[in-house]
Amino acid sequence: EVQLVESGGGLVQPGGSLRLSCAASGFTFSSYWMAWVRQAPGKGLEWVANMNQDGSDKYYVDSVKGRFTISRDNAKNSLYLQMHSLRAEDTAVYYCATLVVVGATTPYYFDFWGQGTLVTVFS
Amino acid sequence: QLVLTQSPSASASLGASVKLTCTLSSGHSSYAIAWHQQQPEKGPRYLMKVNSDGSHNKGDGIPERFSGSSSGAERYLTISSLQSEDEADYYCQTWGPGTACVFGTGTKVTVL
Repeated sequence: EVQLVESGGGLVQPGGSLRLSCAASGFTFSSYWMAWVRQAPGKGLEWVANMNQDGSDKYYVDSVKGRFTISRDNAKNSLYLQMHSLRAEDTAVYYCATLVVVGATTPYYFDFWGQGTLVTVFS
Repeated sequence: QLVLTQSPSASASLGASVKLTCTLSSGHSSYAIAWHQQQPEKGPRYLMKVNSDGSHNKGDGIPERFSGSSSGAERYLTISSLQSEDEADYYCQTWGPGTACVFGTGTKVTVL
């Protein structure tokens, strides 16, 4: 059974930093593209970042470029999201997800999701 | 610009059927989309991918009463024999040119 378990969320002040983790099990983690998707309170889903299997390709939504970094440790079956310079608008539940790609490089859709971890940026 | 349009809400009686629509913006009618379900206070769950020809590929363990279809720029999710646990938000999603992931705004389904 595929499991994705996020952790690391919490309360942080504007300008602060936080590192989210996602522990993966039940599938060959090193073979999958992975992604982070977030959901602000009462709002819809927003893609944040994704990366390929070996970390050589990484993509970000414009609003987090230069502030967030996606990374992974295939030996530990773990995905990470390092977040710096946090803003009130980053407040959201952050989900880890597996990403199906087409032709090895074209992202397509998310097929497994975690339960999420809440990040609250407050002053 | 690739945009996915969804109605904000839909409702149907227990045991009835409901059909949700996701409309692709002009120039993108050939795109496949994925449907995701989000029950209250839970993470999303992948339901299925729907291609432009109406074929669809469901995720593991998705009940038979969930089906997908297409017509032109519209992609549909039909839920038959509606159950109380189907009360949820449903999002369509695709990937645009380049590296842009796009979600619809979601449809909230209420079971009457």
